[in-house]
Amino acid sequence: AQTVTQSQPEMSVQEAETVTLSCTYDTSESNYYLFWYKQPPSRQMILVIRQEAYKQQNATENRFSVNFQKAAKSFSLKISDSQLGDTAMYFCAFMKHVQGAQKLVFGQGTRLTINP
Amino acid sequence: DAGVIQSPRHEVTEMGQEVTLRCKPISGHNSLFWYRQTMMRGLELLIYFNNNVPIDDSGMPEDRFSAKMPNASFSTLKIQPSEPRDSAVYFCASSPINRGSGNTIYFGEGSWLTVV
Repeated sequence: AQTVTQSQPEMSVQEAETVTLSCTYDTSESNYYLFWYKQPPSRQMILVIRQEAYKQQNATENRFSVNFQKAAKSFSLKISDSQLGDTAMYFCAFMKHVQGAQKLVFGQGTRLTINP
Repeated sequence: DAGVIQSPRHEVTEMGQEVTLRCKPISGHNSLFWYRQTMMRGLELLIYFNNNVPIDDSGMPEDRFSAKMPNASFSTLKIQPSEPRDSAVYFCASSPINRGSGNTIYFGEGSWLTVV
């Protein structure tokens, strides 16, 4: 079974600093997809970034980038120049294919606070 | 383009009452998912549909829960009778089906259910 582990329940940094959130996963599949979702206090789940396992290049979306280490099964999220609006829960997720559909398995989440 | 639309956004009900949560997926998406989020258990997949057909309902907690998708643009999650432990945020999500590749799953804003 696939599992996703986020080892940092909470993190806190000052505005404008860079922060890295950790995520490891366990799977026997060779082709899969990984995601980071952001959940602000409004509770809405917002996609931050995605990574295809077959791509060696790390995904980047503006201030957000990932460090994908396939052999180590590690998928960390780096937020550069952090902003107050980045304060949220961040969930790492693994996508697996089951009967033609995609199922997301989530980690426990990391609560990130950006301090002014 | 409208996202996944859920209703109601918030509901408070008394134990024993029937609760119906509604979802309209993104137009053109073939997969629909119901997730539940609680503090204790995090994000759990309850059930998902492909082309209106339930594929996997192994995450449905018990017989009090049922889900239907009568057409491609509408789904319901029903709890009857409701219990206090059902209090949670229920998310509906959708994605297109594209065999062999991972598609992003888009979430609605969630339905916050409180059973008293």
